[in-house]
Amino acid sequence: EAGVAQSPRYKIIEKRQSVAFWCNPISGHATLYWYQQILGQGPKLLIQFQNNGVVDDSQLPKDRFSAERLKGVDSTLKIQPAKLEDSAVYLCASSPDRNQPQHFGDGTRLSIL
Amino acid sequence: EDKVVQSPLSLVVHEGDTVTLNCSYEVTNFRSLLWYKQEKKAPTFLFMLTSSGIEKKSGRLSSILDKKELFSILNITATQTGDSAIYLCASSTSGTYKYIFGTGTRLKVLA
Repeated sequence: EAGVAQSPRYKIIEKRQSVAFWCNPISGHATLYWYQQILGQGPKLLIQFQNNGVVDDSQLPKDRFSAERLKGVDSTLKIQPAKLEDSAVYLCASSPDRNQPQHFGDGTRLSIL
Repeated sequence: EDKVVQSPLSLVVHEGDTVTLNCSYEVTNFRSLLWYKQEKKAPTFLFMLTSSGIEKKSGRLSSILDKKELFSILNITATQTGDSAIYLCASSTSGTYKYIFGTGTRLKVLA
């Protein structure tokens, strides 16, 4: 089966600019996650969707980050405006349902200048 | 606050050695513990553990969970250079199924 697809692979922007990431989960997976992984740390959950509804966004900095999963398939994560501390790899993961292990995409490496 | 702590942070061994990686957790409404291997890109799933004392095994890798002492170990026997990676453990909670990851153990296997 095809894996979780993410784009772009890399993005370099200046602080205060906007950026968006896209994720296409494995077909049929109901649950989708966005994680932020800062260098030297483990992934930190930003938001979890079950189909097109938000299950958990308690760690999403909502003043600058937003995410949506229209039609319960693809998802986008946006940062506006970006700060230096947002430099990280943004990982998308999906699972058939919430109690199954997640499959991760290769991530988008974001650098803020 | 829920947390997952891994040790050691890094480890260098020679091919053929056996290594044990540790993961302790303090999580409200614990449901399961998962191990992932992360090389340069996406973490790949290794094991999911929900019951105490039952070892899960895949080739040279094995893992076990102790729900009384709140920890898990990942063993790798006869290590190979291809085992070099960051090993992440994560806990999930009942209800929201929220996943909390540790910082990982960076393993380097020398030829």
